[in-house]
Amino acid sequence: QLVLTQSPSASASLGASVKLTCTLSSGHSSYAIAWHQQQPEKGPRYLMKLNSDGSHSKGDGIPDRFSGSSSGAERYLTISSLQSEDEADYYCQTPGVFGGGTKLTVL
Amino acid sequence: QVQLVQSGAEVKKPGASVKVSCKASGYTFTSYAMHWVRQAPGQRLEWMGWINAGNGNTKYSQKFQGRVTITRDTSASTAYMELSSLRSEDTAVYYCARDLARITTSGYYSGYFDYWGQGTLVTVSS
Repeated sequence: QLVLTQSPSASASLGASVKLTCTLSSGHSSYAIAWHQQQPEKGPRYLMKLNSDGSHSKGDGIPDRFSGSSSGAERYLTISSLQSEDEADYYCQTPGVFGGGTKLTVL
Repeated sequence: QVQLVQSGAEVKKPGASVKVSCKASGYTFTSYAMHWVRQAPGQRLEWMGWINAGNGNTKYSQKFQGRVTITRDTSASTAYMELSSLRSEDTAVYYCARDLARITTSGYYSGYFDYWGQGTLVTVSS
């Protein structure tokens, strides 16, 4: 059974960078994931699909500040030059499965 | 541009059914699968099922098998999700989401989502 694990919360200062992690359960380290952003009181927004080799394809209009990388069973979302509107929940997803989400606070 | 516009909020009594619509525009509706996802208060997102908008084939999460029906009307570029035998735990925001990949002739879909609807709040209360 595939499980995606995310830290419940993260925080970083305005203008800084933050790296969020999604961990695939044992035996699933080759899986691609997608990252989605959910701002308060809004529906999710697709950010990117991230492959196991670190290659990724971003959604329409997603700024260059958002990037993805991979290492083994870990999938990362890095947000640089943090802005106030980046304060949101971030979910990783594979077919049929979602992570628990990380609530990002911009200080 | 791709847009998915869902129907408005619903309030239902336990035991009733609800049908939520998702009208697509900005792309060829029958070329992509459509998924349904829900989010109960304070809970993670939960995949419910999908429909091949081209041929109408469906697949449902085991959790909802027997209670959920996903259909589509190609003439209206609209997908529907009907959930029956509602209980209080079904109170949630329901989303439609377009599959990332164009459906192939063999029916392949990716299972990842690139566009989401705005969500429909369904409240189940006596």
